[in-house]
Amino acid sequence: GQSLEQPSEVTAVEGAIVQINCTYQTSGFYGLSWYQQHDGGAPTFLSYNALDGLEETGRFSSFLSRSDSYGYLLLQELQMKDSASYFCAGRGWNRDDKIIFGKGTRLHILP
Amino acid sequence: EAQVTQNPRYLITVTGKKLTVTCSQNMNHEYMSWYRQDPGLGLRQIYYSMNVEVTDKGDVPEGYKVSRKEKRNFPLILESPSPNQTSLYFCASSFGLAENNEQFFGPGTRLTVL
Repeated sequence: GQSLEQPSEVTAVEGAIVQINCTYQTSGFYGLSWYQQHDGGAPTFLSYNALDGLEETGRFSSFLSRSDSYGYLLLQELQMKDSASYFCAGRGWNRDDKIIFGKGTRLHILP
Repeated sequence: EAQVTQNPRYLITVTGKKLTVTCSQNMNHEYMSWYRQDPGLGLRQIYYSMNVEVTDKGDVPEGYKVSRKEKRNFPLILESPSPNQTSLYFCASSFGLAENNEQFFGPGTRLTVL
């Protein structure tokens, strides 16, 4: 079946850099998206990779390697407000238009 | 303001009492979707709709119904709610799946079934 795997938790220090990985097990996805969700809030879109390589949006970057079925979200200059859960998501190749989310990575930031 | 709205935001009900959670978007999006979020399980898609009168099952459709009679609205119907449907529900919409996959989420509906 289709699934996306992420670490359940990651801890980093304020001001540092952290990478959140996402691996997928399927014949492939139509690109990989990343969402951020703060406690009590709704998920909000961060980035999307349709092709291999790095996409940069301010302090956040996202990477995709379709040959490795792997992507990551890179957060730089961490701030306390970045404490949240991060989800990768993709649409499968079997054209059923479902969207599948990973189970999410809880990012803890230490002062 | 571009947004997705859901109502109610909070609901406590009893087993077997039919309920509807409404979802509306004002962005003329074609694709709409319902998710449930449970601790440790992430977001799981219940149903989705590619356009008016076009709906399909997601990964966890059992016990739910949807309809898409108008482009802006996508209600979620629980005909006979059970305690295992206690969850946080999100409606989302996007222009489609050929673009950047950006989905806009509603604020969520926290449902408790006793």
